[in-house]
Amino acid sequence: EAGVTQFPSHSVIEKGQTVTLRCDPISGHDNLYWYRRVMGKEIKFLLHFVKESKQDESGMPNNRFLAERTGGTYSTLKVQPAELEDSGVYFCASSQGNGGEQFFGPGTRLTVL
Amino acid sequence: SQQGEEDPQALSIQEGENATMNCSYKTSINNLQWYRQNSGRGLVHLILIRSNEREKHSGRLRVTLDTSKKSSSLLITASRAADTASYFCATDGNDYKLSFGAGTTVTVRA
Repeated sequence: EAGVTQFPSHSVIEKGQTVTLRCDPISGHDNLYWYRRVMGKEIKFLLHFVKESKQDESGMPNNRFLAERTGGTYSTLKVQPAELEDSGVYFCASSQGNGGEQFFGPGTRLTVL
Repeated sequence: SQQGEEDPQALSIQEGENATMNCSYKTSINNLQWYRQNSGRGLVHLILIRSNEREKHSGRLRVTLDTSKKSSSLLITASRAADTASYFCATDGNDYKLSFGAGTTVTVRA
């Protein structure tokens, strides 16, 4: 069974540009989460989808970040415009039900210059 | 705010020795999960322990949970070079989002 996949694995962009990250959860997992780890800090929650609905987006840092999960399958996280402090590793995770194991993807390393 | 805190921050052991790391948290939880991250790679789920469980085993891993002390420990027995990684504990409450600690970096020397 395929795990959580993320694309791209790395992205280097300039400040002010737009970047879109993609996450494909494990098939059949209704719950999808985004997390990120910025340099030197701990991994922090961004938001949680249940199917196509945003269950909790309390961790989204500001309105430059937009997450979607149209159709309840894959999800995208768009950063527009990107700022230097957005650099870090963005992880996606999925789980079958609420409160179960969350399985993480390999992450997307974002570098904003 | 950070929920889980791992201790120690770094650990260096000889191959074959056991490694123990601890995690403390602040608020009540539903589950506590341990993850491993090898250098530059993603997070690998190791084990989940529920708040009503006290101990769990998986292969060479043993996890304990003491909800009265709000702490957990991860023991890796008979360590191998491949166990070199960062280990994170993560807790979740009724909102299901995971709160991570800063991690323990384990180095296993051959």
